[in-house]
Order: sequence, then structure tokens, then C-alpha cells
Amino acid sequence: KQEVTQIPAALSVPEGENLVLNCSFTDSAIYNLQWFRQDPGKGLTSLLLIQSSQREQTSGRLNASLDKSSGRSTLYIAASQPGDSATYLCAVPADSWGKLQFGAGTQVVVTP
Amino acid sequence: NAGVMQNPRHLVRRRGQEARLRCSPMKGHSHVYWYRQLPEEGLKFMVYLQKENIIDESGMPKERFSAEFPKEGPSILRIQQVVRGDSAAYFCASSPPSGRGDTQYFGPGTRLTVL
Repeated sequence: KQEVTQIPAALSVPEGENLVLNCSFTDSAIYNLQWFRQDPGKGLTSLLLIQSSQREQTSGRLNASLDKSSGRSTLYIAASQPGDSATYLCAVPADSWGKLQFGAGTQVVVTP
Repeated sequence: NAGVMQNPRHLVRRRGQEARLRCSPMKGHSHVYWYRQLPEEGLKFMVYLQKENIIDESGMPKERFSAEFPKEGPSILRIQQVVRGDSAAYFCASSPPSGRGDTQYFGPGTRLTVL
């Protein structure tokens, strides 16, 4: 059974620092890995999706890497801003139908 | 292209009442997933539907919960005889017909409060 873990559970950094968020999964036979952002009381916003054949994916200040063999993905956010404060979730499809298995999330606070 | 729409955004029910949550997927998407986020817990899969078919309901409680995705109209998640433990945020997501390799797009959620 696939399990997804995110460490740390919470992170507080001053504005301008780079953020490093970790996600690990137990079954390396994944189709893809998706990173989401969730603001308090809101829905999920998809940030990046990395296919299993890719090593990384970039969008603006965000960069996500994937190492299937070690069961890890890392989300880097460069030059953090207070607006980056949110909970970040990673998820992988748990089966061929695509239902997602989520990590518990990392709650990020960027202080001005 | 409008995103995934869910309504109502907030729903208050008394114990024993029925709750109906609606989800309209993005245009062109034929796959719908429902997830539940209990207070202080992570997101958990409930059910996966395609038009007129339930494909996987392994995450849905066996009693009181049902889901449908008719040929016309939104997907409905129905909770009968609600209890306080049903209070949670319910999210639906949709994806294109190709399924597992694609991004799932999430709606804003319905926050159910059971009094």
C-alpha cells in the first residue's frame, strides 16, 4: 500500500529565504507526482505535476524534483514571499484509476 | 474555461438530515473524484466516477453515503442521516478522459457542518 510522508510538518522562514519541502513515498512504481497548495479554508491549487519519466519540473520560482528510485520528491520555492504562506501537499496516484494518495502537508509561514 | 465548481460552498445540517453536495467538472472532463478532509487530518479519497458509472468507491463509508455522476448534470455526493463526525470539507476533482497521467483539478470544496 502506497504511503506518502511530508517532512517537516511546519516551517517558518523570513521573507527572501529559499524554501525546501520534502515528500517521500513507499512504492516507487508511480505514474506521476503532483504538488498542490492549499490556503486556509480554500480548495487546492495544482502547482506542478511531474511525470514518472521526468527528473524535474519548473514553473516560475517553483522547481520540483523527482527521484523515483529513492522514493523522494522535493519542492523548492526560491526567494520566498509572504504570499507563499500556505499548506503544501504532495500526492501520487494510488492505482491505475488515478485516485490520489496525499501526504499530510507542510504548513509554511513566510514572515515579512 | 471555468474551473471545477462545487455548491454549496457551506452547508449546515442538523443530525439526521440529508446533505447533498454537487460538483460540476471542468468542460471536457469525464472523470470525477471525491475526497474528504476531516478537521486536522489529510485529504482522503472517497469515490471515483465516470459518466453514469461508479468505478471505485473503496474510500466511501458503506452506509449513508452514495455518489452518482449522471449522463447530464453534476456529480452528487449524498450523505443520509448525517452525524457530527461527517463534519468536514468535501472536495471534488476532475480530470480529462486519459485519467491517471493527468493533473486533477480541484474545486473550492463544500464545508459541511453538522449541528
